[in-house]
Amino acid sequence: ETGVTQTPRHLVMGMTNKKSLKCEQHLGHNAMYWYKQSAKKPLELMFVYSLEERVENNSVPSRFSPECPNSSHLFLHLHTLQPEDSALYLCASSQGPGDIEQYFGPGTRLTVT
Amino acid sequence: GQNIDQPTEMTATEGAIVQINCTYQTSGFNGLFWYQQHAGEAPTFLSYNVLDGLEEKGRFSSFLSRSKGYSYLLLKELQMKDSASYLCAVRALSGGYNKLIFGAGTRLAVHP
Repeated sequence: ETGVTQTPRHLVMGMTNKKSLKCEQHLGHNAMYWYKQSAKKPLELMFVYSLEERVENNSVPSRFSPECPNSSHLFLHLHTLQPEDSALYLCASSQGPGDIEQYFGPGTRLTVT
Repeated sequence: GQNIDQPTEMTATEGAIVQINCTYQTSGFNGLFWYQQHAGEAPTFLSYNVLDGLEEKGRFSSFLSRSKGYSYLLLKELQMKDSASYLCAVRALSGGYNKLIFGAGTRLAVHP
């Protein structure tokens, strides 16, 4: 247990569906991140939030829409995804943006059919 | 650009020593991390090097040479539970704050 939880752990959705991924951290951190991990590829940073403000959008398509209502919760809203968006989506948190240690959640395994 | 290279797969025998290498080319270098990731689980922090030299933590050690853009993770007295992916990540200053740039990971299989 790293103090970062993600739900759901597995998600299968069609290309016309709308779904949301949820992340919650219980560590009192101020920065939260979304990463995408595809098979045999490096983790790709998608979004960074610091104190609920987005500080990084790493050229992510608009079909991915993040939301950070408070420093403990982070959402990733998904709509009209493509099959190539199938991946493991990892949430992480740290004390501040770019701090030495990031704590990762277990991820959501997303399959787009 | 930013580039991090590490071997895709390695195998080793229980009880042995294995060294996983990582080379990088990044601007704004501000430290190097190693993470361990078991299949289906979250990456977990193993080590952090910001200065040249060797950092030892139990059975795991990590080395950094900034001039060569090179690091390695050394695992001693291998155990079956060490079978996992090992991710090399560089912390780089970009856009006013530090971000982590990951390599693709090295999948280590430990055999009896």
